[in-house]
Amino acid sequence: GNSVTQMEGPVTLSEEAFLTINCTYTATGYPSLFWYVQYPGEGLQLLLKATKADDKGSNKGFEATYRKETTSFHLEKGSVQVSDSAVYFCALEVTTGNQFYFGTGTSLTVIP
Amino acid sequence: GAGVSQSPSNKVTEKGKDVELRCDPISGHTALYWYRQSLGQGLEFLIYFQGNSAPDKSGLPSDRFSAERTGGSVSTLTIQRTQQEDSAVYLCASSFTGTESSGNTIYFGEGSWLTVV
Repeated sequence: GNSVTQMEGPVTLSEEAFLTINCTYTATGYPSLFWYVQYPGEGLQLLLKATKADDKGSNKGFEATYRKETTSFHLEKGSVQVSDSAVYFCALEVTTGNQFYFGTGTSLTVIP
Repeated sequence: GAGVSQSPSNKVTEKGKDVELRCDPISGHTALYWYRQSLGQGLEFLIYFQGNSAPDKSGLPSDRFSAERTGGSVSTLTIQRTQQEDSAVYLCASSFTGTESSGNTIYFGEGSWLTVV
């Protein structure tokens, strides 16, 4: 079946620290991979995506590389800011039927 | 519309009553999804509509839950005989699959907060 597993939170970091949020997936075929972010009091929105192996998605200083050999799509940022505090969701889209599957979300709090 | 619109934004209902939640997707989007987000939990898939195909209802938690999508646009999620464990945020999302086989961005509404007392 199709599923997404991401590291459990909550994660608390100091400002300017390095961030990694792990995400691994199980899927049939060749899915597209996404990171969505939910800021406090707001709806989910796309952060970045990658549609094929070895692609790197990037946005707002965040990066994630589609690793087919390890079925992973880990989210990284070199220097987090207080404004990055949010819940981050890893997701995949299967090519057949375009169904989306989400991880359970990882809460990040960045303290000054 | 400019984005996915959901109503009501907040609903408090008594246990045992029926509720209807409405979703108006982005105009032209062929795919529509319902998810549930409980306090401190992740996104739980409920149901998925794609064009004129039969909906994927595999995520509906019980037969008290149903959804329809009229005219390929607006969708209504109905919860009958609500229970306290139904309290959650119900999120609707849509996407335009078009000619892309994958990599389609899914756009979420603000959600409908349901509280069953």
